[in-house]
Amino acid sequence: EVQLLESGGGLVQPGGSLRLSCAASGFTFSSYGMNWVRQAPGKGLEWVAGVGRSGESTYYADSVKGRFTVSRDNSENTLYLQINSLRAEDTAVYFCARFRLPLGLDSFDLWGQGTLITVSS
Amino acid sequence: DIQMTQSPSSVSASVGDRVTITCRASQDIRNWLAWYQQKEGKAPKLLIYAASTLQSGVPSRFSGSGSGTDFTLTISSLHPDDFGTYYCLQSTTVPAWTFGPGTHVEIK
Repeated sequence: EVQLLESGGGLVQPGGSLRLSCAASGFTFSSYGMNWVRQAPGKGLEWVAGVGRSGESTYYADSVKGRFTVSRDNSENTLYLQINSLRAEDTAVYFCARFRLPLGLDSFDLWGQGTLITVSS
Repeated sequence: DIQMTQSPSSVSASVGDRVTITCRASQDIRNWLAWYQQKEGKAPKLLIYAASTLQSGVPSRFSGSGSGTDFTLTISSLHPDDFGTYYCLQSTTVPAWTFGPGTHVEIK
């Protein structure tokens, strides 16, 4: 089955760090660029980070640049998001999402179920 | 940065009604627009990409149109399962994908 499965969320204090993982299965992971999209409670969707197929190219929203690091391990079919200096406004469900086409950047067609990060003291 | 707006912010309609949602970009995005449906507690689901191409497996009652700055998602005959929040996504300013604020669809 083609799927993405996130893990690593939880309750963390402001200023803390967390690493999210997204395990891919059922497709050739290394052929697709991947992304992280978050959704604060009761709010809309916000793209936060993306990584190219090989992992060499990474992209970040201005709101997270310098604190978030996206990476991938194609041998393990896993996408990562390292989040440092967490703030209350980072509280959200974090989804990993696949680009629709191996060489395309137009939309995200496969999503995980999401993992919740709560930043609170 | 390209800003996306959607209207209406919410709509309540009856089964069988035609529902139209509009998405507007602050500048020309050609046809680099996708539509998503999201239900509470679930991941978004891709409905339309390239403004008007139906994603595989999506019912034909969903359709998209538009180019440039103005886009429309139409549900030709609302089904009970079509409740949820609908988002547009622009992908012309790579790497800065931007979602619209969402339109909540409620079944009367």
